[in-house]
Amino acid sequence: GQNIDQPTEMTATEGAIVQINCTYQTSGFNGLFWYQQHAGEAPTFLSYNVLDGLEEKGRFSSFLSRSKGYSYLLLKELQMKDSASYLCAVKDSNYQLIWGAGTKLIIKP
Amino acid sequence: GAVVSQHPSWVICKSGTSVKIECRSLDFQATTMFWYRQFPKQSLMLMATSNEGSKATYEQGVEKDKFLINHASLTLSTLTVTSAHPEDSSFYICSAIMGDSNTEAFFGQGTRLTVV
Repeated sequence: GQNIDQPTEMTATEGAIVQINCTYQTSGFNGLFWYQQHAGEAPTFLSYNVLDGLEEKGRFSSFLSRSKGYSYLLLKELQMKDSASYLCAVKDSNYQLIWGAGTKLIIKP
Repeated sequence: GAVVSQHPSWVICKSGTSVKIECRSLDFQATTMFWYRQFPKQSLMLMATSNEGSKATYEQGVEKDKFLINHASLTLSTLTVTSAHPEDSSFYICSAIMGDSNTEAFFGQGTRLTVV
C-alpha cells in the first residue's frame, strides 16, 4: 500500500530552527509537496520538490532524496504564526496526491 | 497565485436534508477538481476527482449516490451531500489544477458542515 509518515507533533521555540521529516512509500513518484494548514482552514502551498536536493524559499526550505523516499521541511527564525499543521503529500504514478497525516507544530515563546 | 473560491464557508443543516457546496476557479480554467474531506486531527481524505464534462471518479468507500459531484464547466464544480447525517459532519475542501499542471494544487477555503 501507499504510505506517508511524519511525526504527529513537534514543539519548538520562537526564533529557533525546526526540521519536520517525511518518509514515503508510494506507487511511483511525481513530486512531493509541503503544505501549511492552520486549524479550520484549507492548506496553503509551501514547496514542491521533484528532483533531489534542497529548495530554499525565504525562511522555509525543503529537501528531497528520492532514493531514500525521504523529505524534510526546514523552518528557520520561527515565529508564533508558524504554529500550524504541516502536511507532506506525494503525487504517485497516477498523479494523485497521497497525503500524510500532518505534523502539528507548536511554537513556544 | 490562482484563486479557488469555495462557498459556503460553513453550514448547519438538519439531518435528512441536502447541502450543496460550490467550488469555483476564479482566474483560471480548472480541468480537474478534487474534493477532500477532513475529520478533526486527521489528514485530508480524497473523496473524488472531477473532470469537466465527465463523471467524477470516486475513491473506494465513498458513496457516489450520497455525494453528488457535478463539474459542468471549467470553472465550477459542486458537491451535494444528500440526506445528510450527523456522521457527515466534517470539513470539506476542494482543490483545482490548471490543465496538466504537475505542480501545486490550489485549494478553496473549505466548508465546515455540521449536521444536527
